[in-house]
Amino acid sequence: EAGVAQSPRYKIIEKRQSVAFWCNPISGHATLYWYQQILGQGPKLLIQFQNNGVVDDSQLPKDRFSAERLKGVDSTLKIQPAKLEDSAVYLCASSSPSDLQGELFFGEGSRLTVL
Amino acid sequence: KQEVTQIPAALSVPEGENLVLNCSFTDSAIYNLQWFRQDPGKGLTSLLLIQSSQREQTSGRLNASLDKSSGRSTLYIAASQPGDSATYLCAVRGNYGQNFVFGPGTRLSVLP
Repeated sequence: EAGVAQSPRYKIIEKRQSVAFWCNPISGHATLYWYQQILGQGPKLLIQFQNNGVVDDSQLPKDRFSAERLKGVDSTLKIQPAKLEDSAVYLCASSSPSDLQGELFFGEGSRLTVL
Repeated sequence: KQEVTQIPAALSVPEGENLVLNCSFTDSAIYNLQWFRQDPGKGLTSLLLIQSSQREQTSGRLNASLDKSSGRSTLYIAASQPGDSATYLCAVRGNYGQNFVFGPGTRLSVLP
């Protein structure tokens, strides 16, 4: 079974530029999450999708971050304009609603450096 | 609001030692708790998921226990190996549809 796929693995940009990250969840997983992990901290949820609908985006900085999952499969997270404090690893995770335990499966992450 | 802490922040042990990692949470109304491993520059790998009705789960040399009333979980690693060196994170999901809240992790080094 293929895992959660993410790209790019690494990105370096200057502040005020824009960047986009892509995620393809495990096949059949209707629930998709984007997390932000700053060095030395645990992941923090940015947004949760159920199919193509947003379930929780309460911690997403909506003035600069946006995310979509148009067909209920893969998803894109965009940052525009980027700030220095956005330097972090952006992790995508998925889970299956039919899995009552709600176990999370993560991708390898996309490391963003903002100069 | 759920808060999750992990102590110690870092731990260094010689190979072969048995060790315990701690996870504490402030709200005992949890649905389940999941332990993860994270290697440098990598994503999180699921180790064990323990439901609120369970007291423990085992997988190979790993054993996770849960004491909801005291707001604690421990991850026991038997006969540690250098390959166990990584950061270990716990995450707690609340009873009312809340998403997982993660601890900051414990960075483990197993010395050969």
